Amino acid sequence: QVQLVQSGAEVKNPGASVKVSCKSSGYNFISYGITWVRQAPGQGLEWMGWISANNGNTNYAQNLQGRLTMTTDTSTSIAYMELRSLRSDDTAVYYCARLVRNRLNIWFDPWGQGTLVTVSS
Amino acid sequence: QSVLTQPPSASGTPGQRVTISCSASSNIGSSPVNWYQQLPGTAPKLLIYSNNQRPSGVPDRFSGSKSGTSASLAISGLQSEDEADYYCAAWDDRLNGPVVFGGGTKLTVL
Repeated sequence: QVQLVQSGAEVKNPGASVKVSCKSSGYNFISYGITWVRQAPGQGLEWMGWISANNGNTNYAQNLQGRLTMTTDTSTSIAYMELRSLRSDDTAVYYCARLVRNRLNIWFDPWGQGTLVTVSS
Repeated sequence: QSVLTQPPSASGTPGQRVTISCSASSNIGSSPVNWYQQLPGTAPKLLIYSNNQRPSGVPDRFSGSKSGTSASLAISGLQSEDEADYYCAAWDDRLNGPVVFGGGTKLTVL
């Protein structure tokens, strides 16, 4: 079955960087994209961006441009999300999901289990 | 800026039919809408895509519709395990724009 498994929880100091991994299995990795979505404690879902596993093209949310980098390793079917210059309001659960698209629509299915990133001094 | 507006809460009793609305701003009003269910303490799960399509494994108690710039998620035969947060989402496809999530609706089964 299609499965995305993320790396474990992280605790970082303000100003540091975090890199979260997302390993895919059960499908042809390069035929889909990977998206990242985060959820601050008690809050809703915030889309962060996506990356095409086929060609590495990315699309980042405007508010994260300059601090966010998404990459993929097609040899291992692992996607990475790196966020730099961390602030306390970056504390959240970070989810990866497989990006499925047709000409008109994009949807996310399935999702990883989530990775809690805590930013605190 | 693209916005999707959902009511913060909804409720119903077991067996009842409930609907959750999602209103889109004009710039993404024509985009298809997807719905995600997030059970307490778990990752979101795709419930409906392209306005009214159910992925395999999603019970037919869940249905989606869209008219103009408003979408709706309907749950019939409400069950206690349906208590969750529900999010609508849409892609602003102008110039490969962002994906926008609604603020989420917390559904309580009374």
